[in-house]
Amino acid sequence: QVQLVQSGAEVKKPGSSVKVSCRASEGTFSSHNFNWVRQAPGQGLEWMGRVIPIVDITKYAQKFQGRITITADKTTATVYMEVKSLRSEDTAIYYCARTAARPFDLWGQGTLVTVSS
Amino acid sequence: DIQMTQSPSSLSASVGDTVTITCRASQGVRNFLAWFQQKPGKAPKPLIYAVSSLHSGVPSRFSGSVSGTEFTLTISSLQPEDFATYYCQQYDSYPFNFGGGTKVEIK
Repeated sequence: QVQLVQSGAEVKKPGSSVKVSCRASEGTFSSHNFNWVRQAPGQGLEWMGRVIPIVDITKYAQKFQGRITITADKTTATVYMEVKSLRSEDTAIYYCARTAARPFDLWGQGTLVTVSS
Repeated sequence: DIQMTQSPSSLSASVGDTVTITCRASQGVRNFLAWFQQKPGKAPKPLIYAVSSLHSGVPSRFSGSVSGTEFTLTISSLQPEDFATYYCQQYDSYPFNFGGGTKVEIK
């Protein structure tokens, strides 16, 4: 059964960066696309951006433009999201979510990123 | 950006009830509307895509519909495992915004 396996929890200082990974356990990685969605404590879901590995195209929400970078490594079937200039408001669970034949059909388990001095 | 306004923000219901959650888009999203269920400490679970198509394994008591730019998720005969928070999302144009969520609680 295909899974998206994300990297472990992180604790970061304000102003630093974090890079979260999401590995697809199997499947046709390159023909799918991958989104990143975050959820602050007790809050709703927020779409951040996506990558289409087969054409190496990325799209970011305007709110995060310039501060996040989403990349894909086709050789390891892994998607990454780096967030720079972290602030306390970036404390959240970060999820990757795949779109294959159906949109957002498979989600990773989530990665908690805590930003604290 | 397209704003998704979900209502109500919370509701109380009993097992066996029929529940309706509404999501209004600030502009047209064609049929690119999805619904998700989320339980505490878990990742969102996809329920419905393209307004009314059920993801694999989703019980038929879940259904989706649309009237203009108002989308509806209906849960017929609510089951104990359905108590959760539900989100709508448009994926027609970037950014793929979500609604604010509806928490379905036990009465």
